[in-house]
Amino acid sequence: DAGVIQSPRHEVTEMGQEVTLRCKPISGHDYLFWYRQTMMRGLELLIYFNNNVPIDDSGMPEDRFSAKMPNASFSTLKIQPSEPRDSAVYFCASSPYSAGGSTDTQYFGPGTRLTVL
Amino acid sequence: AQRVTQPEKLLSVFKGAPVELKCNYSYSGSPELFWYVQYSRQRLQLLLRHISRESIKGFTADLNKGETSFHLKKPFAQEEDSAMYYCAHTSGTYKYIFGTGTRLKVLA
Repeated sequence: DAGVIQSPRHEVTEMGQEVTLRCKPISGHDYLFWYRQTMMRGLELLIYFNNNVPIDDSGMPEDRFSAKMPNASFSTLKIQPSEPRDSAVYFCASSPYSAGGSTDTQYFGPGTRLTVL
Repeated sequence: AQRVTQPEKLLSVFKGAPVELKCNYSYSGSPELFWYVQYSRQRLQLLLRHISRESIKGFTADLNKGETSFHLKKPFAQEEDSAMYYCAHTSGTYKYIFGTGTRLKVLA
């Protein structure tokens, strides 16, 4: 199993351009998460989905950010227009449903390092 | 608001010395606490969770509800323990709150 797959691994773009990050979760996992990692703020949850439905997007910083999950095996995080302060590592993670009442382990992708010039 | 605080950005210890990475959370209910670790050039991965009450790679963490803490401890640090450590909390939902992380450097 390749685990959670993210693409691209690195993205360099210019301010004002549209950026699309992609994620393929582990097959059978019901939950998908998008995080942003920066030195100053650590790991921040942006949005998470359950069975392809967005459950909590309170961490999405601005209207410039949007996320979709059209099916169980694919999700995108889009930034339009991008700004230099969006430079960070963006992680996707997935998690199975836990019937025991507690949350289960999150499995992280390798991350996409975004640089906005 | 729920919050996880890791007061140290960087912690350096010598090999063989004890290690304690601090984590405090703010939540009045029954929290679930986790420690995730990211080794160099590897993915972020679960190290341990409080409900498992197990020791992983010699690390343990005890939930102290009175002090709202979940500090990570190891009696004798190894060089391979050098990594970025994140404390995380959920309140029974899948909404994870992570701390800002502590980079542990174990010196030879």
